[in-house]
Amino acid sequence: DTGVSQDPRHKITKRGQNVTFRCDPISEHNRLYWYRQTLGQGPEFLTYFQNEAQLEKSRLLSDRFSAERPKGSFSTLEIQRTEQGDSAMYLCASSSGLALETQYFGPGTRLLVL
Amino acid sequence: ILNVEQSPQSLHVQEGDSTNFTCSFPSSNFYALHWYRWETAKSPEALFVMTLNGDEKKKGRISATLNTKEGYSYLYIKGSQPEDSATYLCASLRGRGANNLFFGTGTRLTVIP
Repeated sequence: DTGVSQDPRHKITKRGQNVTFRCDPISEHNRLYWYRQTLGQGPEFLTYFQNEAQLEKSRLLSDRFSAERPKGSFSTLEIQRTEQGDSAMYLCASSSGLALETQYFGPGTRLLVL
Repeated sequence: ILNVEQSPQSLHVQEGDSTNFTCSFPSSNFYALHWYRWETAKSPEALFVMTLNGDEKKKGRISATLNTKEGYSYLYIKGSQPEDSATYLCASLRGRGANNLFFGTGTRLTVIP
């Protein structure tokens, strides 16, 4: 399968714990995006990487959130001291960097904070 | 319109019926509109990327039109099938060089056999 993959698919954690999600983009896609979808809403942009450089961050990305893409391939999204409001679907997407390119999405990681 | 809006929120149709739904988006600084289909437990699947006013795209029984001046797009499904049941999302890209998609809340379509 050459699509975008995310791990884990589901995560249940207790409030205050740290969690980390992984995204593997389509190989050779140099752009990688993270989005978050909460109940009843559409996906909302969190952050964007061009290769290993994090070029844009949404104001939704509080200081408890950190994303990395150390070698310009896979990416991790870490949430520290989770809160119940962090419960959401976290989606990753990648694209080739060409003009008007499609963003290809992974299946998401569903996080539930108890 | 400040945000991307979709209507209706949900829709039930009988197998074989044709249907359509609407995406409204800010027309100022418009660059592109994306449509996605998202089936439960799967990845959102890209359907169309549209940029030009009057653009019309087709993929099998699904087609879409775009009006950038008034800020709306229609998605049409002809002869709905149960496998068309999914949430259909539209997202706008604002400004050349923009990278983040602004999504609507989606239209959840259920096709009843």
